[in-house]
Amino acid sequence: AQSVSQHNHHVILSEAASLELGCNYSYGGTVNLFWYVQYPGQHLQLLLKYFSGDPLVKGIKGFEAEFIKSKFSFNLRKPSVQWSDTAEYFCAVNNQGGKLIFGQGTELSVKP
Amino acid sequence: DTAVSQTPKYLVTQMGNDKSIKCEQNLGHDTMYWYKQDSKKFLKIMFSYNNKELIINETVPNRFSPKSPDKAHLNLHINSLELGDSAVYFCASSQAYRTNTEAFFGQGTRLTVV
Repeated sequence: AQSVSQHNHHVILSEAASLELGCNYSYGGTVNLFWYVQYPGQHLQLLLKYFSGDPLVKGIKGFEAEFIKSKFSFNLRKPSVQWSDTAEYFCAVNNQGGKLIFGQGTELSVKP
Repeated sequence: DTAVSQTPKYLVTQMGNDKSIKCEQNLGHDTMYWYKQDSKKFLKIMFSYNNKELIINETVPNRFSPKSPDKAHLNLHINSLELGDSAVYFCASSQAYRTNTEAFFGQGTRLTVV
């Protein structure tokens, strides 16, 4: 069965620090990969997605992620976080359509 | 314009009651979903409809019954509510079921059963 694992439950950073959130998935076939963000009290918004092509994908708000097929990983990065990045971050995978399988989420707290 | 809208946003009800949550999308998508987010913020799919046809039904108690009157609407009816049903329920839609496309989520309905 597909599963998604996010390495960090809660990450606390100071503003301007660099961010990397780990995500690994288990599925042998072709997958689509996503990072969603949930700001406090709000719905999920898509940060970025990978379907095929360049494994380094850029998303909104300065976020990027790298798909490493051999490691079944899709880590999220941002060179310099801001207080407004405080949110819950979810990695998700689906096999070319259909249901999304989500990771447990990583809570990011950015101290001003 | 809200792409995926859910009503109500908050719902507080007593155990044993029956309640419904409505969802509408104006994106012209064929596929709609219900996800449940528990108190630990874990998200899990419950149902999916493609063009009004049920295509995903995860291991959800049969007290939960989705209904899709047309492809723009997917409602969730819950009978005999239990304390454990307290959660945030998210509706979502995507362009089509088996294509490379992302899901768009509604604002969520926070259900509290007391």
